[in-house]
Amino acid sequence: DGGITQSPKYLFRKEGQNVTLSCEQNLNHDAMYWYRQDPGQGLRLIYYSQIVNDFQKGDIAEGYSVSREKKESFPLTVTSAQKNPTAFYLCASSISGRPNEKLFFGSGTQLSVL
Amino acid sequence: KNEVEQSPQNLTAQEGEFITINCSYSVGISALHWLQQHPGGGIVSLFMLSSGKKKHGRLIATINIQEKHSSLHITASHPRDSAVYICAPRPPFLQGGSEKLVFGKGTKLTVNP
Repeated sequence: DGGITQSPKYLFRKEGQNVTLSCEQNLNHDAMYWYRQDPGQGLRLIYYSQIVNDFQKGDIAEGYSVSREKKESFPLTVTSAQKNPTAFYLCASSISGRPNEKLFFGSGTQLSVL
Repeated sequence: KNEVEQSPQNLTAQEGEFITINCSYSVGISALHWLQQHPGGGIVSLFMLSSGKKKHGRLIATINIQEKHSSLHITASHPRDSAVYICAPRPPFLQGGSEKLVFGKGTKLTVNP
């Protein structure tokens, strides 16, 4: 079945450490997104990519980095510069990123600080 | 500032009840998504609509662009409907696609047997 796979489900970060969250899709979608979800808050966009080797900052990109070397993969790195990384991270994709397309989401990664 | 307001924030119902979740937004929109977030965290897209009404099984979504309001209805609710329901309007008159979605904080629905 086609879909989006996020791993790991749970991740722990030590102070000063960079961690990478994986997002893989086999839907042949061009557009991919990373969102952060905090308790009691709406999803906020971190980064998005509409084509391989290109990506754009979202509303809260500081302290995060991404790459898009392959169409099916869009990993997110939470760097040590992100001082409050504890949150639930969701990856999503859509066919091309054009308006009014349906979004497909992964099952998320819960990141916590040790 | 979150320009999307959902009500209620929490909703508890008995199995079989008719459920209504509301979404209001302060700016004009071109379309609105309704999403369902399961207790495990995964999100499923339920509807995307820009006018009128859409129906899928026991779920009905309506939107009134002029009144800047949308509702999600669940008929004959069931415990498996227990989830967080999120609305996400897309502002108009902006270049770009789904990256422009603004997400509500969600309505947590619990349906008891």
